[in-house]
Amino acid sequence: SAVISQKPSRDICQRGTSLTIQCQVDSQVTMMFWYRQQPGQSLTLIATANQGSEATYESGFVIDKFPISRPNLTFSTLTVSNMSPEDSSIYLCSVPSPFDYNEQFFGPGTRLTVL
Amino acid sequence: SQKIEQNSEALNIQEGKTATLTCNYTNYSPAYLQWYRQDPGRGPVFLLLIRENEKEKRKERLKVTFDTTLKQSLFHITASQPADSATYLCALDPSPIKAAGNKLTFGGGTRVLVKP
Repeated sequence: SAVISQKPSRDICQRGTSLTIQCQVDSQVTMMFWYRQQPGQSLTLIATANQGSEATYESGFVIDKFPISRPNLTFSTLTVSNMSPEDSSIYLCSVPSPFDYNEQFFGPGTRLTVL
Repeated sequence: SQKIEQNSEALNIQEGKTATLTCNYTNYSPAYLQWYRQDPGRGPVFLLLIRENEKEKRKERLKVTFDTTLKQSLFHITASQPADSATYLCALDPSPIKAAGNKLTFGGGTRVLVKP
C-alpha cells in the first residue's frame, strides 16, 4: 500500500490568513486527489491534481480559494486562502493504489480550525 | 439529481451479531462500488470493492452485495467485535466514462458501535 503523510496534522488559524497543506507519497503517482470533510460530514472532492498540468476543480471550488501545486509525482500542496470559519474542516489527500487503480489510499488528514 | 445515501443514524449492535449497512444511489451507473472504514481523526481505509458484474464479495468477516437493479449495496460485518466500531463509507466513481483511477463520490457514512 502507498504511505501518505500530510503536514501539518492540525492547525488553528486566524480569519483572513492562508494555510498550505503538504501531501507526500512514498511512490510515484500520476493522480492525487484533495478532499474536504467538514465536521460531521462525509468527504467532498475539491480537486484532482495531475503532475504537469493544471488541477481540475469540482463544482463549488475555485483555484483562487484553493490553489494547488503538483511539482512532481510524489508531492502536492493545497492552499486554503483567505480563510473564514466555514473553512474549518479536515483536508485529506488521496492517491489510487498502485496495485488496483480503483482503490484509493488516504492520508491521515489535516484538521484545520479557523477562528 | 445524483445522490448516494447511507443511513445517517448510528447502528448500535451487540458483539457477535451481524451488522448490516445500506448504501443506495440515484442517477449513477457505477462500474463498481467501494466501502471504506474511517476511525475518528483518521483518513478512510479501503475495505472492499465490488464490480457491477459481481453479486457478492467477501473478505474475512466482511461481505458486500451489489444490486444494480435496486441501485443498492449492502455491507455486512459478521461476528462483530468492539474493534469494528467505526464509520463506514460507501463510494463510487461518478464519471460516465468507466476508467480506473477516477475520483470518488462518497456517501454520508454510517457510524457503527459494537457493544461488548
